[in-house]
Amino acid sequence: SQTIHQWPATLVQPVGSPLSLECTVEGTSNPNLYWYRQAAGRGLQLLFYSVGIGQISSEVPQNLSASRPQDRQFILSSKKLLLSDSGFYLCAWSVGWAGGNTEAFFGQGTRLTVV
Amino acid sequence: GENVEQHPSTLSVQEGDSAVIKCTYSDSASNYFPWYKQELGKRPQLIIDIRSNVGEKKDQRIAVTLNKTAKHFSLHITETQPEDSAVYFCAANYGGSQGNLIFGKGTKLSVKP
Repeated sequence: SQTIHQWPATLVQPVGSPLSLECTVEGTSNPNLYWYRQAAGRGLQLLFYSVGIGQISSEVPQNLSASRPQDRQFILSSKKLLLSDSGFYLCAWSVGWAGGNTEAFFGQGTRLTVV
Repeated sequence: GENVEQHPSTLSVQEGDSAVIKCTYSDSASNYFPWYKQELGKRPQLIIDIRSNVGEKKDQRIAVTLNKTAKHFSLHITETQPEDSAVYFCAANYGGSQGNLIFGKGTKLSVKP
């Protein structure tokens, strides 16, 4: 069966510090991978998605970046965090196919507080 | 790109009543429309989805309807229970092979006993 791991679960970082959140998927090959952010009391905002190794698409301009060094590994990074980067970050995967989509499975999430 | 609008942002109902949440999408090529439920502090989880080749799908107390012409879809929950209280998200894909889901802003449903 497929599983998705995301860590850490919580993180408190000072403004200006770097960030690295990691997500890995097991039990499937060539998944579509996503990073979403959920600000307090708000919806899910798509930040990045990837359909393959080294293929990253950004949905919104920000000081965040994403990388996919391996097929089932997705990393969210920042060189210098801003207060506005605080939020709940969710990694997700799905099987994408030419005819449409299947269910997206979410990781446990990382609650990031920038202080 | 795809734009998904979701209404209402909050919804309060009495236990046993029905709840309806509506979403509209902009990309006519979208062909997959899932609904997710997110309980407080937890990850979103799929509760029902519908593809563009059908107009309605039902699973016990939950149903989803899709109007492709009008580009809107709705979630219907009947006989609501307190455990239905959560934030519900609709989503739509771009269609084709890209596979990225765009979510609505969510609806906070409160079911009062």
